[in-house]
Amino acid sequence: NAGVTQTPKFRVLKTGQSMTLLCAQDMNHEYMYWYRQDPGMGLRLIHYSVGEGTTAKGEVPDGYNVSRLKKQNFLLGLESAAPSQTSVYFCASVTGTRGREQYFGPGTRLTVT
Amino acid sequence: KQEVTQIPAALSVPEGENLVLNCSFTDSAIYNLQWFRQDPGKGLTSLLLIQSSQREQTSGRLNASLDKSSGRSTLYIAASQPGDSATYLCAVRGSSNTGKLIFGQGTTLQVKP
Repeated sequence: NAGVTQTPKFRVLKTGQSMTLLCAQDMNHEYMYWYRQDPGMGLRLIHYSVGEGTTAKGEVPDGYNVSRLKKQNFLLGLESAAPSQTSVYFCASVTGTRGREQYFGPGTRLTVT
Repeated sequence: KQEVTQIPAALSVPEGENLVLNCSFTDSAIYNLQWFRQDPGKGLTSLLLIQSSQREQTSGRLNASLDKSSGRSTLYIAASQPGDSATYLCAVRGSSNTGKLIFGQGTTLQVKP
């Protein structure tokens, strides 16, 4: 039982390049989330999904797209990276049953130059 | 809009001291509150989860309390150790059925030997 895993762990992009971050969970959780963490800003929700095939916008969705084609995977895409997207990205998941704790992945550190 | 505040932003104490970290939130309509620990450059580790109907939760030297009506939670650490040095984050889950967490900006704790 690996919990929540994220790929890659580190990445450096040039402005305008694209990439996809992969989040996988093996706990059969219904809900999954992408957050970004920036100094002085805490963690902010980018997009989330309450089930396979569904996605919704969070607090800071601009410049990102997501897909949840399989229940265990949640992908975060950057179509045209910008320096403002330099951040640490965390994926999380939780069961749909209320009252349960969220589990977080180890993070992806992204630098856009 | 829910806002979560953690005070102080940083705290330095000598080893062995008991300490309290504070978390306040503006909307009392929460489902639960979760305390996390984050070591530098690492992901989030869940410490304690308190349901809205509970007053406190304990795990080892940690005790978290919740006063939903006043919008406050505290994390009490007994007999602090240098290994407790980390950033502590609190997050509230609202009453909507999305499971989204709203985070405070964290308290960075340093325990000096």
